[in-house]
Amino acid sequence: AQRVTQPEKLLSVFKGAPVELKCNYSYSGSPELFWYVQYSRQRLQLLLRHISRESIKGFTADLNKGETSFHLKKPFAQEEDSAMYYCALLDNYGQNFVFGPGTRLSVLP
Amino acid sequence: GAGVSQSPRYKVAKRGQDVALRCDPISGHVSLFWYQQALGQGPEFLTYFQNEAQLDKSGLPSDRFFAERPEGSVSTLKIQRTQQEDSAVYLCASSLERGQLQYFGPGTRLTVL
Repeated sequence: AQRVTQPEKLLSVFKGAPVELKCNYSYSGSPELFWYVQYSRQRLQLLLRHISRESIKGFTADLNKGETSFHLKKPFAQEEDSAMYYCALLDNYGQNFVFGPGTRLSVLP
Repeated sequence: GAGVSQSPRYKVAKRGQDVALRCDPISGHVSLFWYQQALGQGPEFLTYFQNEAQLDKSGLPSDRFFAERPEGSVSTLKIQRTQQEDSAVYLCASSLERGQLQYFGPGTRLTVL
């Protein structure tokens, strides 16, 4: 069965510190992995996807098929990074997303 | 507007009432999705349309939930005889076609008393 786990409900770091939000998935095929972000009072929006291999707002994520992980990293957290972060996979048929439960990142001044 | 819109943004219903939630996708987007997001959880898939055809409704939790998209654009999610466990944010998303990037609406927060 498809499943996405995010072990941390809440992650607090100080401004300027590195941050890593963990994501693991289970899927029998080769899924496409995404990170979505939801800032306060805003809608869910795409942060990055593994196939584009780009850095958005200083965030990067590498798909590790051996560990079935897609952790999100940023070397120096900023206060404006405070938000809910959801890891999601898109199945082989490209239909619906399977979302993780989310991690709330709080960047302290 | 260029984005996905949903209405109403907030809905309070008494247990047993029927509700209808509307989604206006981005113009030209073929695929439309409904998700349910309970408090403290990530969104969970409900149903998927390709144009007017409902190709997957495997996520609908019960037969009280019904979705339609009769003309292949606007979609309505209807919940009959609402129960307290139906309280959640209902998200709509659309994409140009299957497998393409999904754009999310702001959601409708349903509270069933």
